[in-house]
Amino acid sequence: DIQMTQSPSTLSASVGDSVTITCRASQSISSWLAWYQQKPGKAPKLLIYKASSLESGVPSTFSGSGSGTEFTLTISSLQPDDFATYYCQQYNRYWTFGQGTKVEIK
Amino acid sequence: EVQLVESGGGLVQPGGSLRLSCAASGFTFSSYWVHWVRQAPGKGLVWVSRINGDGSIINYADSVKGRFTISRDNAQNTLYLEMKSLRVEDTAVYYCARGAAAASPVGQWGQGTLVTVSS
Repeated sequence: DIQMTQSPSTLSASVGDSVTITCRASQSISSWLAWYQQKPGKAPKLLIYKASSLESGVPSTFSGSGSGTEFTLTISSLQPDDFATYYCQQYNRYWTFGQGTKVEIK
Repeated sequence: EVQLVESGGGLVQPGGSLRLSCAASGFTFSSYWVHWVRQAPGKGLVWVSRINGDGSIINYADSVKGRFTISRDNAQNTLYLEMKSLRVEDTAVYYCARGAAAASPVGQWGQGTLVTVSS
């Protein structure tokens, strides 16, 4: 099975900050990686697919990069609506999610 | 509008059974892979099972293999998850999710249904 490891688990930041979340796969997944945002009590929302492609309607302050086993999600200027939990997901073989990164207000 | 609406969750005792349903609308259901993903309270997302468009390919996570059965009725645009021998650790919100292909991210999520396994 492919394991996904996210870091950090929690990230404290302020509005306007730039933040980066890292996701590592236990084996190469090429670019078959997605990022989701989840708010309490809601289903996740797709932000990025194929490692760096922005889903329609997602602000350009979100960007993704990486391939193989190392991936990053960057939010270039945190907005109040961005405080949430973020998950990476590999879809190279079945689906595996990272454990999540909570972005909280400093 | 694309919609996935889960139902069937509730409280069940350990060792019991439950069947979840997911009603799909707004798209050609039979053309899509559909999955079940669960999330225990305060925890992360865990993939449970998937089924392809015509039901000929089915996969399960090891944690549910032999206890859960995924199926679909394309005439009724409905996905099912039959859960047996339920354990306390199966307590979670269960989401149905749509993927465009075998290797694709989640294009659409349902709102989730809560399953609580407790005595």
